Amino acid sequence: TQLLEQSPQFLSIQEGENLTVYCNSSSVFSSLQWYRQEPGEGPVLLVTVVTGGEVKKLKRLTFQFGDARKDSSLHITAAQTGDTGLYLCAGVVGGNTGKLIFGQGTTLQVKP
Amino acid sequence: GAVVSQHPSRVICKSGTSVKIECRSLDFQATTMFWYRQFPKQSLMLMATSNEGSKATYEQGVEKDKFLINHASLTLSTLTVTSAHPEDSSFYICSAFGGYEQYFGPGTRLTVT
Repeated sequence: TQLLEQSPQFLSIQEGENLTVYCNSSSVFSSLQWYRQEPGEGPVLLVTVVTGGEVKKLKRLTFQFGDARKDSSLHITAAQTGDTGLYLCAGVVGGNTGKLIFGQGTTLQVKP
Repeated sequence: GAVVSQHPSRVICKSGTSVKIECRSLDFQATTMFWYRQFPKQSLMLMATSNEGSKATYEQGVEKDKFLINHASLTLSTLTVTSAHPEDSSFYICSAFGGYEQYFGPGTRLTVT
């Protein structure tokens, strides 16, 4: 069974601070996705990482895929209150079937 | 871009009744649709995989007779929670996969009283 361990599960920081969320597995994934979810809404895709060692940037968000494609990280620089939400990593399994396995999620609260 | 809708967005029902939730892909054909449930402050848990014209594949521990899934067309899948109980209260989310990308619906909040 493929599992994704996401940490930390809860994070409360002040505006302007930096943070990193980790997503780890003992399994290899063909690709890994990061989502952000607001309360009462569905998750929204932020990025897909495919190649081992890949780094992708989305404004203040930096996503990295581990060389062995077993782990990933999300780094937010100078967090803003608008970054508050639930961040989810999801590993793509079963080839091109669309099936995802989600990590436990990280609830981020950015205080003004 | 592609949009997935869910209906209703919120539903309250009495214990013992059945509730149907619809998931529609609005501008693309979804070969596969997935149903998830999410408890407060937790992640999404995959319940079942639904392919058009065939029986759904349920994840371990999910009762197929309680959570009936129908995928009658490439744009519509339905989840029926039969004989609902308070412990079925949750946020149900569908996603649609068209072969390249996956899009999530806005979710349905089910409350069973």
